[in-house]
Amino acid sequence: EVQLVESGGGLVRPGRSLRLSCAASGFNFDAYAMHWVRQAPGKGLEWVSGISWNSGNIDYADSVKGRCTISRDNAKNSLYLQLNSLRAEDTALYYCAKSSTLDSDRGDFDYWGQGSLVTVSS
Amino acid sequence: SYVLTQPPSVSVAPGKTARITCGGNNIGSKSVHWYQQKPGQAPVVVIYYDNDRPSGIPERFSGSNSGNTATLTISRVDAGDEADYYCQVWDSTSVFGGGTKLTVL
Repeated sequence: EVQLVESGGGLVRPGRSLRLSCAASGFNFDAYAMHWVRQAPGKGLEWVSGISWNSGNIDYADSVKGRCTISRDNAKNSLYLQLNSLRAEDTALYYCAKSSTLDSDRGDFDYWGQGSLVTVSS
Repeated sequence: SYVLTQPPSVSVAPGKTARITCGGNNIGSKSVHWYQQKPGQAPVVVIYYDNDRPSGIPERFSGSNSGNTATLTISRVDAGDEADYYCQVWDSTSVFGGGTKLTVL
């Protein structure tokens, strides 16, 4: 059974940093691209970032570009998202999502975690 | 940047057919994926690559994609289908539609 478990969320002051983690199990982690998708309270889904199976291709949404770093450790079956210079508009539930392909620029998101809530407030 | 437009809401009586549209410039040239999200739950893919259904998704769910509009069709709607639905495509980066709330009357 595929499982994605996010952690690392919480309350953080504006301008500070946070690192989210996603522990994956139940599939060959190193054979698939992985993504972060967020959802602000009461709002729709917003893709944040994606990373290919071997970290060779990485993309970011314009809204986080320059403030965000995605990474993965295939040996630990883990995905990470480093968020810097956090703003109130970054407040959201952050989902880890598995791609159906090894490339980070195609395919659907066939499995999702339950999300980790990040609240940016003073 | 590429924009996907969905109606905010669609209402349908039980047993009838619901159609949720997703508009985008020449979306027919792209692959469209559809997600269902129930309150308090993570999204679940219900249609991928325009009209493929994952295992476990009822045959009542189908999709089409042509021209400037992709459509998710849910036949014989029941109360369990009440949810938010999102379309998604790739256009250098991933893009989601704004979501459609399906209400079963």
